[in-house]
Amino acid sequence: KNEVEQSPQNLTAQEGEFITINCSYSVGISALHWLQQHPGGGIVSLFMLSSGKKKHGRLIATINIQEKHSSLHITASHPRDSAVYICAVRVGNTPLVFGKGTRLSVIA
Amino acid sequence: DSGVTQTPKHLITATGQRVTLRCSPRSGDLSVYWYQQSLDQGLQFLIQYYNGEERAKGNILERFSAQQFPDLHSELNLSSLELGDSALYFCASSVGRTANTGELFFGEGSRLTVL
Repeated sequence: KNEVEQSPQNLTAQEGEFITINCSYSVGISALHWLQQHPGGGIVSLFMLSSGKKKHGRLIATINIQEKHSSLHITASHPRDSAVYICAVRVGNTPLVFGKGTRLSVIA
Repeated sequence: DSGVTQTPKHLITATGQRVTLRCSPRSGDLSVYWYQQSLDQGLQFLIQYYNGEERAKGNILERFSAQQFPDLHSELNLSSLELGDSALYFCASSVGRTANTGELFFGEGSRLTVL
């Protein structure tokens, strides 16, 4: 069974800080997704990756297949980045397995 | 705006009742996924349809059923509702047959409260 662990569970940062959220999984995967869930509940897909690194604006996602680990980085954090960040992985054609999420609060 | 439309946004009903949640996928997307998010469980995959056919099934209760229509919209039917069914129900869509072949686009969710 594929387990997805995220750390930290909760994170409070000052505006402008560099933030890292981690995701570890237990078996080899075919794809990893990073999702952002806003306080209102809506979910936005940030990245889908299977190797290497992707960047979009102030967000960077990396994945190390050998170590079964991915990180989501936020540079120059802003209060509007406050949300729950969810990691989800897929093994072959099986459905996505989700982590429990990291709740981020960025304080001005 | 993800392009995925879910209705209703909020629904309050009583135990034992039946409700239908509706999802219109993004234009051109053939796959529709249904997820349940309860407070203590996080996101759980329920079921996936691809171009009208069931493609994958998660821990979906027998009281729940879904279908995807020829116009690709999907409905999730929840019957004999229990208090524990109170949750956010999300629909997502993607172009391909699996979540490996493209980005997932999520709807805003339907918040179901069972009293």
